[in-house]
Amino acid sequence: ETGVTQTPRHLVMGMTNKKSLKCEQHLGHNAMYWYKQSAKKPLELMFVYNFKEQTENNSVPSRFSPECPNSSHLFLHLHTLQPEDSALYLCASSRRATNTEAFFGQGTRLTVV
Amino acid sequence: QKEVEQDPGPLSVPEGAIVSLNCTYSNSAFQYFMWYRQYSRKGPELLMYTYSSGNKEDGRFTAQVDKSSKYISLFIRDSQPSDSATYLCAMVASPSGSGNTGKLIFGQGTTLQVKP
Repeated sequence: ETGVTQTPRHLVMGMTNKKSLKCEQHLGHNAMYWYKQSAKKPLELMFVYNFKEQTENNSVPSRFSPECPNSSHLFLHLHTLQPEDSALYLCASSRRATNTEAFFGQGTRLTVV
Repeated sequence: QKEVEQDPGPLSVPEGAIVSLNCTYSNSAFQYFMWYRQYSRKGPELLMYTYSSGNKEDGRFTAQVDKSSKYISLFIRDSQPSDSATYLCAMVASPSGSGNTGKLIFGQGTTLQVKP
């Protein structure tokens, strides 16, 4: 695989639930990203972390809360989501945030009911 | 106007055909151009990576960039059923000096089906 592992692969949650998505990379990269992929839309960058520091928040609603405890792990904490948040959430990593070669995980298919 | 335009397809071709996938863009600052392939239920994987204008070949795949027309292409020769996937173009402005975080801008993706 790509060296970027995401769990869970599938998640169904109610609008009042709290859940977390996990991403782990084994590539020695220093930058990690969260993307949202919705049907018939381009990939949308949500957050960028470079050396554990958040360097970009692409106007993401506060019901999505990222956490990066170290360069190998990235979390996305979810609470009070809406049905329109249902999508494929992809994690990616690269050697550094200015590196253009990003490696993606397989994604978490999220359904909000 | 979207920064990157890509026809979503679907595009259906017979096995062995030459496939041409294209993207247009509006931001003249883009200098790095990538093609990702995404199989169903998988994450995107980097297929080709080119800098500035010109051609780059890798096996059956050729990436072409025409900066004057703001147009990039991916050609697949002798297409195989295993090439059936969604192909995403992506691009980024120069990351050096400006503090740019290397923000990739993706096209919508073109779904390709190669029929045996």
